[in-house]
Amino acid sequence: LAKTTQPISMDSYEGQEVNITCSHNNIATNDYITWYQQFPSQGPRFIIQGYKTKVTNEVASLFIPADRKSSTLSLPRVSLSDTAVYYCLVVPISGGYNKLIFGAGTRLAVHP
Amino acid sequence: GAVVSQHPSRVICKSGTSVKIECRSLDFQATTMFWYRQFPKQSLMLMATSNEGSKATYEQGVEKDKFLINHASLTLSTLTVTSAHPEDSSFYICSSVAPSEETQYFGPGTRLLVL
Repeated sequence: LAKTTQPISMDSYEGQEVNITCSHNNIATNDYITWYQQFPSQGPRFIIQGYKTKVTNEVASLFIPADRKSSTLSLPRVSLSDTAVYYCLVVPISGGYNKLIFGAGTRLAVHP
Repeated sequence: GAVVSQHPSRVICKSGTSVKIECRSLDFQATTMFWYRQFPKQSLMLMATSNEGSKATYEQGVEKDKFLINHASLTLSTLTVTSAHPEDSSFYICSSVAPSEETQYFGPGTRLLVL
């Protein structure tokens, strides 16, 4: 499974856009990029998943350059409730049934 | 998205006793479920893969005789922490995959405190 690297922590303020970048230099051709959000004492929540270019849903956008060696999770206009840990994972396409290996994640703190 | 539940949400037990944690897929059938453990301020660590109708697959370093996993039906997997000790105190989380989505969904977690 491809290893991912992301910043340990980030700080932002309410209303700002937050971009969290993840490096996955060894990503394989059949790998998806998946992001999860985790609040304290809760299980991770699926945010978004993509393979290339750009994916957008009601929560976030995911930008993936052509070489796919990195990706950026974009959270528009964050609020205090977006304070959480965000995990970037690389998962084989066939791979919902594959085990997920979590890295340290990025601890985002949103301030008033 | 698919819904995965866990029971109990919190449990406190005495050292030496056994504790059972249930993981249920509420709106889909799950042939495979995963069990994770998370210590404070740390990331999730995969413990084992639970397979319906067959033995679980444990990650390196996880004692299969201490963490018993049973996946007797397509909607239920159980994790039993046997002879629990204070160092087993942790946050235990299960996940499963909705077949039509190929995305893993996580349960809300179970906080175990061993006194």
